[in-house]
Amino acid sequence: TQLLEQSPQFLSIQEGENLTVYCNSSSVFSSLQWYRQEPGEGPVLLVTVVTGGEVKKLKRLTFQFGDARKDSSLHITAAQPGDTGLYLCAGDTGTASKLTFGTGTRLQVML
Amino acid sequence: DAGVIQSPRHEVTEMGQEVTLRCKLISGHNSLFWYRQTMMRGLELLIYFNNNVPIDDSGMPEDRFSAKMPNASFSTLKIQPSEPRDSAVYFCASSLDFLAGRSYNSPLHFGNGTRLTVT
Repeated sequence: TQLLEQSPQFLSIQEGENLTVYCNSSSVFSSLQWYRQEPGEGPVLLVTVVTGGEVKKLKRLTFQFGDARKDSSLHITAAQPGDTGLYLCAGDTGTASKLTFGTGTRLQVML
Repeated sequence: DAGVIQSPRHEVTEMGQEVTLRCKLISGHNSLFWYRQTMMRGLELLIYFNNNVPIDDSGMPEDRFSAKMPNASFSTLKIQPSEPRDSAVYFCASSLDFLAGRSYNSPLHFGNGTRLTVT
């Protein structure tokens, strides 16, 4: 059973456009992480959010944790080709000894 | 810091053969995870070790899969016998003192994976 659903699954946009990726669940998470994975490599951590309503910024990337800690979003401003990759959210429910990864959003930014 | 090192990068084998995947943790890390990634099922946790002890192996598909940590810095994932449905990219990841509910303190560091193809 997939606890974390991400949308959209695929996104192809032009350089300079803005986009938002969503990560939704019916479960409450004690923390949520966002990773980016490039072809042929493993996922790399971008950010961790812990507090409901928390907003974190990483250059052109803005991450938000939902107030109820069941969902999160990633907003990219003025996307660049270097943002291309698979974006994964991963949640920790606090009771299971593991991180559960979302279904992923595959982003392609074209020149 | 060399990061998590996995070998081989690619493995092609015939159905029924034994496959062994290897992983070297980041020095000082004591939590080790094996994940499998496919287009259909995404990234799935197979097994998690802490201080060389298996903590959660509920994701291991069946008895054909086994994982070990012969020492604190090295792990193997073995599939015997392999089947075509085992074809996937297998990742290991390490962290320092991973603890459910406090994973924000110990993010996962992934290797670059082993792409396994079973024909």
